[in-house]
Amino acid sequence: DAKTTQPNSMESNEEEPVHLPCNHSTISGTDYIHWYRQLPSQGPEYVIHGLTSNVNNRMASLAIAEDRKSSTLILHRATLRDAAVYYCIPRRQYGGSQGNLIFGKGTKLSVKP
Amino acid sequence: EAQVTQNPRYLITVTGKKLTVTCSQNMNHEYMSWYRQDPGLGLRQIYYSMNVEVTDKGDVPEGYKVSRKEKRNFPLILESPSPNQTSLYFCASSLTRQGGSPLHFGNGTRLTVT
Repeated sequence: DAKTTQPNSMESNEEEPVHLPCNHSTISGTDYIHWYRQLPSQGPEYVIHGLTSNVNNRMASLAIAEDRKSSTLILHRATLRDAAVYYCIPRRQYGGSQGNLIFGKGTKLSVKP
Repeated sequence: EAQVTQNPRYLITVTGKKLTVTCSQNMNHEYMSWYRQDPGLGLRQIYYSMNVEVTDKGDVPEGYKVSRKEKRNFPLILESPSPNQTSLYFCASSLTRQGGSPLHFGNGTRLTVT
């Protein structure tokens, strides 16, 4: 399984952009990169995923390095509601248990007013 | 509304008394999974199911059973709960087990075993 490395914590100011990095140097060519977040006292919430190209949705943008060894989740304007633990997780395209999501420790994002 | 529904949200029980935590999804998803979350240990997978009648162990399956008789339901069964199963449990589902399929999570069940 591909291993990921994320900062333990990051801080941001409200209304400013946030760039959350993730290293996944052992990722397989068929692994999608998923991002989830978990707000306090809630279940994990899907944010975004991608394979090779950068991706945008209403919540965030995902920038994937050309060699796919790292990615960055971008929150364009952080709000207090974005304070959460953010997880970067590879998910194998095909193959039994390798389609499972294995959570690491994630990055705890704090947002200051 | 598309969702994963777990019941109950909170459960306090005693050691050895069998219990079932239910999980249901209304999105016709093939893949379903159970996780437990403990302080300092993060989210760990207990069991998963790739389709009806197909289940397999995750990383921490000891003390748990599951069944998948229908596509929408994936109950978690604790035949003889013990205090070390006190935890926060999450059920999740995705359309398929494939990489491009996002997971949807329930709101969690907080279990206390005394």
